[in-house]
Amino acid sequence: DIVVTQSPDSLAVSLGERATINCKSSQSVLYSSNNKNYLAWYQQKPGQPPKLLISWASTRESGVPDRFSGSGSGTDFTLTITSLQAEDVTVYYCQQYYSPPYTFGQGTKLEIK
Amino acid sequence: EVQLVQSGAEVKKPGESLKISCRVSGYTFTTYWIGWVRQMPGKGLEWMGIIQPGDSDTRYSPSFQGQVTISVDKSISTAYLQWSSLKASDTAMYFCARQGPTITLDFWGRGTLVTVSS
Repeated sequence: DIVVTQSPDSLAVSLGERATINCKSSQSVLYSSNNKNYLAWYQQKPGQPPKLLISWASTRESGVPDRFSGSGSGTDFTLTITSLQAEDVTVYYCQQYYSPPYTFGQGTKLEIK
Repeated sequence: EVQLVQSGAEVKKPGESLKISCRVSGYTFTTYWIGWVRQMPGKGLEWMGIIQPGDSDTRYSPSFQGQVTISVDKSISTAYLQWSSLKASDTAMYFCARQGPTITLDFWGRGTLVTVSS
């Protein structure tokens, strides 16, 4: 199984500042035949199901604010939230979908400093 | 509009069986895989498995293989997750989700809370 590890487990950022969450997979999730990274980011607010933010490591879903961006390739990935808003303060997960089981990271809790 | 509507909360005793459902609408059910995700109280997301509704091809996480059964009824566009003998450690929220064209879980149900307690 591919192990996915997020860092940090929690992060405190001031409103309006940048938040950066890291995600590392135990093996590459870059599929060479199409040059796509099989890595997604989700946001989960309390009492709600997760919401897909980013697929293919860097492609924002429709309707996701452009302050959210994903980057990285191979085994190392980053979710960046520029200019943190109050509604962004919640938990974020990355997930690899390169090979089943499509494992999630343990989650990163984003808080206001 | 794509919707995944899950069955209601359940309270069961250890050793009992249970089957929860996820009814899909808004697209052709057999086009995309359906996945199940567990979230234990206060914990993170765990991928349990996926099923292709067209031919019932199923992939399980090793952590859940043999512990649960994922199935579908194409005639009513519904996916199921079932247990034959529940344990207290099965207490969790269970989400179904569509594995869409980007192979990510793009639409989710609101979850079914399963509580197992004597």
